[in-house]
Amino acid sequence: SAVISQKPSRDICQRGTSLTIQCQVDSQVTMMFWYRQQPGQSLTLIATANQGSEATYESGFVIDKFPISRPNLTFSTLTVSNMSPEDSSIYLCSGQGEIASTDTQYFGPGTRLTVL
Amino acid sequence: SQKIEQNSEALNIQEGKTATLTCNYTNYSPAYLQWYRQDPGRGPVFLLLIRENEKEKRKERLKVTFDTTLKQSLFHITASQPADSATYLCALKGGSGGYNKLIFGAGTRLAVHP
Repeated sequence: SAVISQKPSRDICQRGTSLTIQCQVDSQVTMMFWYRQQPGQSLTLIATANQGSEATYESGFVIDKFPISRPNLTFSTLTVSNMSPEDSSIYLCSGQGEIASTDTQYFGPGTRLTVL
Repeated sequence: SQKIEQNSEALNIQEGKTATLTCNYTNYSPAYLQWYRQDPGRGPVFLLLIRENEKEKRKERLKVTFDTTLKQSLFHITASQPADSATYLCALKGGSGGYNKLIFGAGTRLAVHP
C-alpha cells in the first residue's frame, strides 16, 4: 500500500493569508486528489491533481482559491488562498493507482487548518 | 442527484458481538464500493473494496456484501473489540459518477463496549 505524508499537520492562520499544504507519496501513483472534511462531516472532493497540467476542480471549487500543483507522480501541493474562517477544515491528500493496484485509494493523515 | 446514506446515529454494541453497518445509495451505478475506517483527527484508512460483480468479500474479521439491485452494501465486523471503535465510511467509485471520483457517505460511528 502507498504511504502518504502531509505537511504541515496543522496550522493556525490569519484571515487574508495563504497556506500551502504539501503531499508526498512513497511510490508512484496515477491519480492524486485533494479533499476537505469539515468537523463531523464526510469528505468532499476539491479537485484531481493532474501531473504536468491544470487540476480538475469539482463544482464549488475554483483554481484562484485553491491552486494545485503536481510536478511529478509522487508530489502535490494545495494552496488555500485569501483564507477566511469558513476555510477552517481538515484538508486531505489522496493517491490512487500504484503499480500493484489501480483501484484502491489511500489517504494522508490530513492537515488541520484553523483560520482566525 | 447522487446520494449515499449511512446511519448517522452511532452504533453501540458489546464486545464480542457482530457489528453491522449499512450503506445505501441512490441515483448511482458504481463500478465498485470501498469501506474505510477513520479515527478522530486522522485520515481514512482503506479496509475493503468490492466490485459490482462481486456479492461478498472477506478479510479477517471483516465482511462486506454488495447488492446492486437493492443499491446497498453491508459491512460486518465479527467478534468486535473496543479497538474497532471508530467511524466507518462507505465510498463509491466509477460508473455514472465518473470513473475516478470517490464519493463518500457521512460515515457511521461505531462504539464497542467492553
